Amino acid sequence: GDSVTQMEGPVTLSEEAFLTINCTYTATGYPSLFWYVQYPGEGLQLLLKATKADDKGSNKGFEATYRKETTSFHLEKGSVQVSDSAVYFCALNTGNQFYFGTGTSLTVIP
Amino acid sequence: SAVISQKPSRDICQRGTSLTIQCQVDSQVTMMFWYRQQPGQSLTLIATANQGSEATYESGFVIDKFPISRPNLTFSTLTVSNMSPEDSSIYLCSVGGGTYYEQYFGPGTRLTVT
Repeated sequence: GDSVTQMEGPVTLSEEAFLTINCTYTATGYPSLFWYVQYPGEGLQLLLKATKADDKGSNKGFEATYRKETTSFHLEKGSVQVSDSAVYFCALNTGNQFYFGTGTSLTVIP
Repeated sequence: SAVISQKPSRDICQRGTSLTIQCQVDSQVTMMFWYRQQPGQSLTLIATANQGSEATYESGFVIDKFPISRPNLTFSTLTVSNMSPEDSSIYLCSVGGGTYYEQYFGPGTRLTVT
């Protein structure tokens, strides 16, 4: 069945470090892919999205590229800030249902 | 994107009681969803609520435990009935839509059952 596999956390980085959170998926057809962010005590916010192969989603310095050949949608940021500390969820939508990864907790220390 | 509010934002309830969570959207939407997020876990879909029809429940969730109402295109409620400590979770409503089928989430209701 359709699913999302996400890099386990927690991840701890120093401010200005490079971030990669890995996400791979299994899906029939051509899903849309998303990254959501959940800040402490809040709901989920859509961070970025991509709807077809080779699309690059970007927002707030974060980027992810839809790689059909490797079925991946890794999240990257060149220089993280303390304010990026949150839980990040990879997700896919096949048109019938949303599937979420298990979430990766990121803590950025000054 | 839709703006979604939930009430209450948090509550502490006693075992055996029920709590109704409200979800209000600032625009008309066809599909609304209710999720549960247990501490430190990912999201689990409870049910899909379409206006004018019965909610569709996912495996492991039943209407008697989680009755849902959807009286119009901007509002829905989820009731957590006969609560036990295992129901302590964050309950999130979301709406579907948009060109690429993204979902937008409310801020969540943090429920603690003692």
